[in-house]
Amino acid sequence: KNEVEQSPQNLTAQEGEFITINCSYSVGISALHWLQQHPGGGIVSLFMLSSGKKKHGRLIATINIQEKHSSLHITASHPRDSAVYICAVRSWANFGNEKLTFGTGTRLTIIP
Amino acid sequence: NAGVTQTPKFQVLKTGQSMTLQCAQDMNHEYMSWYRQDPGMGLRLIHYSVGAGITDQGEVPNGYNVSRSTTEDFPLRLLSAAPSQTSVYFCASSYAGGSGNTIYFGEGSWLTVV
Repeated sequence: KNEVEQSPQNLTAQEGEFITINCSYSVGISALHWLQQHPGGGIVSLFMLSSGKKKHGRLIATINIQEKHSSLHITASHPRDSAVYICAVRSWANFGNEKLTFGTGTRLTIIP
Repeated sequence: NAGVTQTPKFQVLKTGQSMTLQCAQDMNHEYMSWYRQDPGMGLRLIHYSVGAGITDQGEVPNGYNVSRSTTEDFPLRLLSAAPSQTSVYFCASSYAGGSGNTIYFGEGSWLTVV
């Protein structure tokens, strides 16, 4: 079982719809990241969370540490939101070092 | 501020050849890491480092070497390339630990081994 599971793997929606992407993890973490990858490969960090909720424009990210679960919401979705959204967790690895583990991503397509 | 600079962007290698993917950051980040991204598998950690002189293996380290002689640079070496190493490679950096540690990625390196 992967340490980080995302759902759904693929999501197609109409412009304007409310979007939710979920991320569950099985390890203790110090932080969780949401990333966006557009066609062509560039990866951009959207949020870093260690508790609660963060909002940036139409994007909202929440995390429940007790349930080991995070969600990324997009309000009033737009075709330019079409991308792969990736969840990554920062956890403790060998010798007290930290490592990042990634989910496989959710491919979001917004249809005009 | 250049962020994370990763080179080359594209490379074709013959099986058995060696090469080094370069990664440099100018943000004084302690944490640097290399990932490969393959279709349907997401980003997988190859090697990472939490500071100069400290490296550790990730999920898929076989066939790759790294070193961290300075805070700024974290090169990834393929000693004898194999077709299974055909992939897109990303370097990333961030501050280690604590809050506010946004991850910054290089633009990716598309590697084909024939």
